[in-house]
Amino acid sequence: QQQVKQSPQSLIVQKGGISIINCAYENTAFDYFPWYQQFPGKGPALLIAIRPDVSEKKEGRFTISFNKSAKQFSLHIMDSQPGDSATYFCAARPGSYIPTFGRGTSLIVHP
Amino acid sequence: NAGVTQTPKFQVLKTGQSMTLQCAQDMNHNSMYWYRQDPGMGLRLIYYSASEGTTDKGEVPNGYNVSRLNKREFSLRLESAAPSQTSVYFCASRGRDYGYTFGSGTRLTVV
Repeated sequence: QQQVKQSPQSLIVQKGGISIINCAYENTAFDYFPWYQQFPGKGPALLIAIRPDVSEKKEGRFTISFNKSAKQFSLHIMDSQPGDSATYFCAARPGSYIPTFGRGTSLIVHP
Repeated sequence: NAGVTQTPKFQVLKTGQSMTLQCAQDMNHNSMYWYRQDPGMGLRLIYYSASEGTTDKGEVPNGYNVSRLNKREFSLRLESAAPSQTSVYFCASRGRDYGYTFGSGTRLTVV
């Protein structure tokens, strides 16, 4: 049973474009939604995270949009750069328990 | 540098051999985790340790054992390696905040 569904599996964007990755969840007990960025040969690193009491959080070119009623959240990368090419994982967690990860999105940003 | 250190980085085993993957963190985190990453499957939790002296099974524990040696160290052991255990293994830790810190991974091939 996949509790966090992430799409698309892969994404190709031109430099300067907007990259959008979506995640949907079922468990209404989830109350923390992080995104992780993973470069080839490296471990995932926390990129940005949101709690359901806000609908949007922005850090530089990265924005999380959160829709509690639809049980969906998404990562937007504005002005995408080749250096953003990586695998991105969404996750969701209930309280202090173990998070559930999405299956990942491989992003390629062409120069 | 503060963080999570995993050894070895690469390993090739023959079917039936045993090995231990080592993980150490220097951030004084209570919780530690072992994940495996396979193409298209995202990150799957093998075992975790919420605090020193405790360990619990995750989503895919079969064929693995763990030891929380002290607060810093959390090892993963394969008693009799199988080709299905070919994967990239990540150790992670978490402190009072909600984000994980991952190690750089161990790429294991079982032939």
